Amino acid sequence: AQSVTQLDSQVPVFEEAPVELRCNYSSSVSVYLFWYVQYPNQGLQLLLKYLSGSTLVKGINGFEAEFNKSQTSFHLRKPSVHISDTAEYFCAVRRMNSGYSTLTFGKGTMLLVSP
Amino acid sequence: DAGVIQSPRHEVTEMGQEVTLRCKPISGHDYLFWYRQTMMRGLELLIYFNNNVPIDDSGMPEDRFSAKMPNASFSTLKIQPSEPRDSAVYFCASSLHQGAGEQYFGPGTRLTVT
Repeated sequence: AQSVTQLDSQVPVFEEAPVELRCNYSSSVSVYLFWYVQYPNQGLQLLLKYLSGSTLVKGINGFEAEFNKSQTSFHLRKPSVHISDTAEYFCAVRRMNSGYSTLTFGKGTMLLVSP
Repeated sequence: DAGVIQSPRHEVTEMGQEVTLRCKPISGHDYLFWYRQTMMRGLELLIYFNNNVPIDDSGMPEDRFSAKMPNASFSTLKIQPSEPRDSAVYFCASSLHQGAGEQYFGPGTRLTVT
């Protein structure tokens, strides 16, 4: 079975500052990795995904994430945040190559951007 | 594509009443998922379907909950009778089996049971 740990439940940051949201996972097999964003009163929206290849993945709204296999991490970063980035961010994994499997989500990190 | 469509967006009902939530997945997607989100428990997978067939309903909290998918473009989640502890946001999502299998979520239905 897979598990996902998002180490911070809340990350406060000032506008235009850089931010990193941390995600670690545990799995006995290779996985696909995802970051989703949930704005207030909305559904989850896919930010980016890692399938294979380059470990640095670029997503929408200026976000990027880096896959680190040795540390089983997939941290999300943005060099300069905006007020509009205030939202909850979910990391998720899905098992590769062994029939169908559902997504396993972390508990989420609330990013709070203030002026 | 319009994305995943859910209705109603908000539902307020009294304890003991039947509630039906509706979902239209993205056309061509062969997997459909129902989730529940609360502050206390976070995001929980309730049930998922493949090609209209329920595959895993182990997340359904109890017999008061039931879900159906009569065709590829429509699914319902029913709660009968509803209880105040069922108050939550219910999301529907759909995906394709191919590739990474990322899921696309609807806007959710906010259910309040008084």
